[in-house]
Amino acid sequence: GPKVLQIPSHQIIDMGQMVTLNCDPVSNHLYFYWYKQILGQQMEFLVNFYNGKVMEKSKLFKDQFSVERPDGSYFTLKIQPTALEDSAVYFCASSLGAEDTQYFGPGTRLLVL
Amino acid sequence: AQSVTQPDARVTVSEGASLQLRCKYSSSVTPYLFWYVQYPRQGLQLLLKYYSGDPVVQGVNGFEAEFSKSNSSFHLRKASVHWSDSAVYFCAVSNNNNRIFFGDGTQLVVKP
Repeated sequence: GPKVLQIPSHQIIDMGQMVTLNCDPVSNHLYFYWYKQILGQQMEFLVNFYNGKVMEKSKLFKDQFSVERPDGSYFTLKIQPTALEDSAVYFCASSLGAEDTQYFGPGTRLLVL
Repeated sequence: AQSVTQPDARVTVSEGASLQLRCKYSSSVTPYLFWYVQYPRQGLQLLLKYYSGDPVVQGVNGFEAEFSKSNSSFHLRKASVHWSDSAVYFCAVSNNNNRIFFGDGTQLVVKP
């Protein structure tokens, strides 16, 4: 089936640094999502993005978070500055339409020290 | 608000046995309901999805799920499991198919 790629698969950074997580969505998809899963907890919605804009975000999407998809390339999640509680697996997803199936990537494991 | 409860963190069955993974949901509107599977080091893969119509929905690899409005449940079933079905299974709910709320997941272990 359609594949979503995420780069890198793992990232270790020091608290306070900036990190950018990259998502390569399915090529013709128009809606993009980030989810966060802290170890041992549920996967939780962070944000969705369409037509260059954030459509909806959860309370987990702190001011230090931002998303963009410049020029139709990677859909990115930037955290600046990072905090210890940002350590988690971040999953990207994409869908063709708002009501279509979301396809998920394998996740980026972020560890903030 | 939507939420999902998967009461079983881990289920162990023998190969060839039948399977039921339980899911209870909470939603103020008619929900979209999903089952996803996650194999190690891979992304979530959609098994099946329900919004309306026949309450028994068929998915890939012989999986099916039954929607029950009266019980607020969406249990996943398979008649005969294979060792390759070992994975983590997530039940999920959404009111618009856009923002999805996931359960904690159930680890399925299939013994040979």
